[in-house]
Amino acid sequence: ELKVEQNPLFLSMQEGKNYTIYCNYSTTSDRLYWYRQDPGKSLESLFVLLSNGAVKQEGRLMASLDTKARLSTLHITAAVHDLSATYFCAVDERSAGGSYIPTFGRGTSLIVHP
Amino acid sequence: KAGVTQTPRYLIKTRGQQVTLSCSPISGHRSVSWYQQTPGQGLQFLFEYFSETQRNKGNFPGRFSGRQFSNSRSEMNVSTLELGDSALYLCASRRNTRPRNTDTQYFGPGTRLTVL
Repeated sequence: ELKVEQNPLFLSMQEGKNYTIYCNYSTTSDRLYWYRQDPGKSLESLFVLLSNGAVKQEGRLMASLDTKARLSTLHITAAVHDLSATYFCAVDERSAGGSYIPTFGRGTSLIVHP
Repeated sequence: KAGVTQTPRYLIKTRGQQVTLSCSPISGHRSVSWYQQTPGQGLQFLFEYFSETQRNKGNFPGRFSGRQFSNSRSEMNVSTLELGDSALYLCASRRNTRPRNTDTQYFGPGTRLTVL
């Protein structure tokens, strides 16, 4: 059974600082997703990472994937208050039938304060 | 262009009842997935439908079922409701034109189900 672990689960940052959220997973996969969820809201897709060494950037967020280490990182550069949200990673596991089943991490609750 | 819509947004039911939730995907999107979000279990994948066929299924009991219509709209049904079914149910749609089904998913606002 695929397990996906995120850390930290809670992160309090000062504006302007950098930090990294880690997503480890337990079995082979080359499909990893990052999502954002604002309090009381739905999910928003941030990144899709499909190969070893993939790196994607959008504004102050950069995600990368190392399939050999089974690790993805979400790096936050010069945090601003608007980035306060919960961030989830999800990993696809291929089922015996050939379909893909996503497993989510528990989420990292990020608060950026002045 | 209109986003993913879900109805109803809030629902209160009692144990033993059944419930049907509806999801209308973005126009042109052929794949619809359903997720359950609870404080205890987090986000869990329920199932995915594509072209009226269930393509993927998560690890949920048979009380949870779904279907997709020819216009890509989808419904999910939960029978014999239990207290633990109280959750936010999210649906998401994707265009499904890229290989390996890796298009960006767009999520609806969710249906908040409370089982008393």
